[in-house]
Amino acid sequence: QITLKESGPTLVKPTQTLTLTCTFSGFSLSTSGVGVGWIRQPPGKALEWLALIYWDDDKRYSPSLKSRLTITKDTSKNQVVLTMTNMDPVDTATYYCALYDFWSGYYGYWGQGTLVTVSS
Amino acid sequence: SYELTQPLSVSVALGQTARITCGGNNIGSKNVHWYQQKPGQAPVLVIYRDSNRPSGIPERFSGSNSGNTATLTISRAQAGDEADYYCQVWDSSTMVFGGGTKLTVL
Repeated sequence: QITLKESGPTLVKPTQTLTLTCTFSGFSLSTSGVGVGWIRQPPGKALEWLALIYWDDDKRYSPSLKSRLTITKDTSKNQVVLTMTNMDPVDTATYYCALYDFWSGYYGYWGQGTLVTVSS
Repeated sequence: SYELTQPLSVSVALGQTARITCGGNNIGSKNVHWYQQKPGQAPVLVIYRDSNRPSGIPERFSGSNSGNTATLTISRAQAGDEADYYCQVWDSSTMVFGGGTKLTVL
């Protein structure tokens, strides 16, 4: 059974750095063709892709947010970490991590999401 | 940057066929994936690579992709199909989601 779960702070202050952890089970991020990505969704708005890390440690970032994002993986812990610097109230959103199938190009399994509010 | 255009909303009568479009420049040359998202829930993949259904997705869900438009078709619409639907593609190493379409079943 494949599961993913996001964890991290629910409230951050403007200018702070957000660190989110995705802990997963049921698959290995060392398996060829596997990736884990982050997607966010502001309240009442559309999905926005943030970043993706592949089994071979290759990484992809949203061009509009690339300067603020870092994605890393710890294969032994089955975790992927996303950091986003210089948080702003417009970054308030539900942040999802999801399992990515490289060969087909889609997210097949999603975590439940975690709401992060940016406010002073 | 590549953009995907979806109608904000689509309405369909119970038992009828709903069609949700996703427009993009030469989208027919890309693989399009569709997600369903119900209120308060994470998205669920309903169609991958234009027209393939993951296991567990009813045959009522189908997809097509040609030219500048991809289409998600939901036949015999049910009340449980009410949700937001998003299309997704890759363009130049960047993943792109459409703006989402709210499907209302009347």
